[in-house]
Parts: sequence; C-alpha cells; structure tokens
Amino acid sequence: GESVGLHLPTLSVQEGDNSIINCAYSNSASDYFIWYKQESGKGPQFIIDIRSNMDKRQGQRVTVLLNKTVKHLSLQIAATQPGDSAVYFCAENPPGGGNKLTFGTGTQLKVEL
Amino acid sequence: NAGVTQTPKFRVLKTGQSMTLLCAQDMNHEYMYWYRQDPGMGLRLIHYSVGEGTTAKGEVPDGYNVSRLKKQNFLLGLESAAPSQTSVYFCASSKATGQRYGYTFGSGTRLTVV
Repeated sequence: GESVGLHLPTLSVQEGDNSIINCAYSNSASDYFIWYKQESGKGPQFIIDIRSNMDKRQGQRVTVLLNKTVKHLSLQIAATQPGDSAVYFCAENPPGGGNKLTFGTGTQLKVEL
Repeated sequence: NAGVTQTPKFRVLKTGQSMTLLCAQDMNHEYMYWYRQDPGMGLRLIHYSVGEGTTAKGEVPDGYNVSRLKKQNFLLGLESAAPSQTSVYFCASSKATGQRYGYTFGSGTRLTVV
C-alpha cells in the first residue's frame, strides 16, 4: 500500500527565547556527533560537532551537550531568531569506516515573532 | 568556490525510465556520499565512496548504482525508476577520517517517479 508521510516533531519558541532540541542516538560505540540545520529547499548545513571524549561544546549562540550514559544529544540555541527556523538533525558517526553518518529524523523549529 | 554541486535540481521520470544524477565537488575531498531524504525519515545512505574508483553500499542501495571515475565526481544511476524512488537526493563530501568529519552537502535533487 501507499506509505503515509510522517510529521516531524515540532518545537515552537518565541523570538529571543532559548531553544533546546533533543536527539537520541542509537550506537553506543559512536565517537563523533554533529548537528545540522536544514532550511526549506536546501541541503543540510553544519552547525556544531562534538567528540565522544567531551560532554559539552560551545559555538556562537549554540551549545551541544552529550550524555553518553543515556545516548542523548541536545542542541541549545541562545536568543533564538527568526532565521533559526529550520529542521535540525543530529548525526552520529558509528564505527565501521568510511566516515559514514547516521542521521536522526529531525525536529522542526518554528520561531514566533 | 562552489563546494558541492548537484545536477539536475528537479526531474520527473516515468516508471521504468533511467537517469543519472551528477555530483561534483571542488574541495579535493576524498569521501563522497549519496543520501535520500523522505518525509519523517531523515537522511538514509544509499552508496558512498572513499576514493576514486571505489564504491560501497550504504543502508538502502537497492535499485541504484554509482560510479566514481574521477575524485571530484560521484554519479548516482537509476536503471529502472520506480515510484518508491520518489525522493529528494543529496550528495555530500568529506575529508578522510582523522580530520574534521563534517560533511558538505549539495542543494539536492528532487526526483518524482510517476
């Protein structure tokens, strides 16, 4: 039969508030993680990365937290702006060579004025 | 500096037709990838290449073939298109393991098979 498209989880925030986007990854042996931003009609764009020997990394207005105990990643965006509206994906680099990434299903961030 | 360029951007195929999607990168990256993106399913790896003349299967390789005759180009072929291959296709490239891992993505090809 015909498959039905799934709806992405959506996070709605007010402009100026902080946003937290969560992701559960699957492979406990993954040693590298990346957050991507995808705007409508465009390819994913690198935001920030973190290696498994770290639990926190900060960039410009963004912070990634890694909790290996529960296989959880989060992306925090400070002072969210309308230009932050997009779909956000986490990705993990599991062992196996080829630098392959496994992507999560994504979260739609909507910034309300 | 163009980064990763995909052609075409849009295409409509009839069931059973064939086509080739072209990906070109100008960053001298060793690794290249083809992903497909379907609603609510994130990106899934079709095939990838770790160097000129080498290719390997990803998560969803059936119905696709690839070739990497030159380091800068990675071609994705559909020999006999099916409606299930309606999707948005993304090419990406990266440096080899041991350096910055992040991918650079192209802008995508939206393919509809009717």
